[in-house]
Amino acid sequence: GAVVSQHPSRVICKSGTSVKIECRSLDFQATTMFWYRQFPKQSLMLMATSNEGSKATYEQGVEKDKFLINHASLTLSTLTVTSAHPEDSSFYICSAKPGQGVGTGELFFGEGSRLTVL
Amino acid sequence: AQSVAQPEDQVNVAEGNPLTVKCTYSVSGNPYLFWYVQYPNRGLQFLLKYITGDNLVKGSYGFEAEFNKSQTSFHLKKPSALVSDSALYFCAVRDGYSGAGSYQLTFGKGTKLSVIP
Repeated sequence: GAVVSQHPSRVICKSGTSVKIECRSLDFQATTMFWYRQFPKQSLMLMATSNEGSKATYEQGVEKDKFLINHASLTLSTLTVTSAHPEDSSFYICSAKPGQGVGTGELFFGEGSRLTVL
Repeated sequence: AQSVAQPEDQVNVAEGNPLTVKCTYSVSGNPYLFWYVQYPNRGLQFLLKYITGDNLVKGSYGFEAEFNKSQTSFHLKKPSALVSDSALYFCAVRDGYSGAGSYQLTFGKGTKLSVIP
């Protein structure tokens, strides 16, 4: 149980286009999801906290108009990188906080999405 | 503020030997501590956690970690390393007093473990 699916796993796009990444909790409801960005050989940087039915909370330095987050249901959060540029190329990972009865404090992570902007 | 330090960028160990990946933390309240493993181009997999109770925590794939409050450490250990254990390991912490509304984890920079055949 407690599986988080992230799609697509890899995406290549042209500069100026927008890319949407989906994060789904497959067998549990997630009131809160987190989006991270990971640079090569570096740790995970928290970008934003996504709460179902409300606006995402962005970390300092993360452009909310650049990285649009929508958490429309208890099992789905999306990250849209708008007008992508080569510097947005990175590995994006989501995680989900399950509700009661699933796990005991740990977050569950998606498999990550490798974005390459040409 | 909370922080995690993983002092080693890389740890090399021979197959069959015991391994240790170090982690120290800083948090204002009671620490909730976690270890995750990441394989190349993959997400993070949960290994084990310390919330409360016994200081020695056993987790997946034969890994264990010992919570040491006086040294603010939570080192990851395994008695006998396997080549398949080679991966990137992250220690993470959150403040137990943050309440149910905050599950933000602070991650260490990661330690690359290489198990040599």
